[in-house]
Amino acid sequence: AQKVTQAQTEISVVEKEDVTLDCVYETRDTTYYLFWYKQPPSGELVFLIRRNSFDEQNEISGRYSWNFQKSTSSFNFTITASQVVDSAVYFCALTHGSSNTGKLIFGQGTTLQVKP
Amino acid sequence: DSGVTQTPKHLITATGQRVTLRCSPRSGDLSVYWYQQSLDQGLQFLIHYYNGEERAKGNILERFSAQQFPDLHSELNLSSLELGDSALYFCASSTSGQFAGGTEAFFGQGTRLTVV
Repeated sequence: AQKVTQAQTEISVVEKEDVTLDCVYETRDTTYYLFWYKQPPSGELVFLIRRNSFDEQNEISGRYSWNFQKSTSSFNFTITASQVVDSAVYFCALTHGSSNTGKLIFGQGTTLQVKP
Repeated sequence: DSGVTQTPKHLITATGQRVTLRCSPRSGDLSVYWYQQSLDQGLQFLIHYYNGEERAKGNILERFSAQQFPDLHSELNLSSLELGDSALYFCASSTSGQFAGGTEAFFGQGTRLTVV
């Protein structure tokens, strides 16, 4: 069975602090994809990143970085120098790589509050 | 703006009623997904359509049904509504083809359904 666990329910930081959101996944597939989505207070889900199971390179996009480690089945997300606008719920998700559906299996989400 | 349009944004209805949620995918996207977000269940996959055909079903209740039309828009029909059906319903679309797992999905702003 596939499962995504985001053990941190809520995180609160002060602006300019770095923060890491944890994501641990379970799958028996050898080919799979991992995603991060952001849900700001306005409610929409915003795609942030996709990573396939064969690409363990870390990725950096501005203040955002992602660390994918197959050995620990983790796909963690770090925000450097956090800002108030980063306050949102962040979801990690997983899909099969070779099936005919891209249905997402989401973690429970981590609510990040960045205080000024 | 993700390019995925959902209507209506808000819906308040009484128990026992039937409602229809509508989704227009991004231009060119053949896949449409429906998800339900509730406080107790989190983000749950309901159903996936690809070019008019059902591809995958999640834990969708028998009272719920969906279809994708030739113009690729999709509708989610919820009937015999119960208080517990109150949730945020998201539609997402992607360019996924035969192997859908690796393509990111873009979400609409959701329809907030309140059953009273």
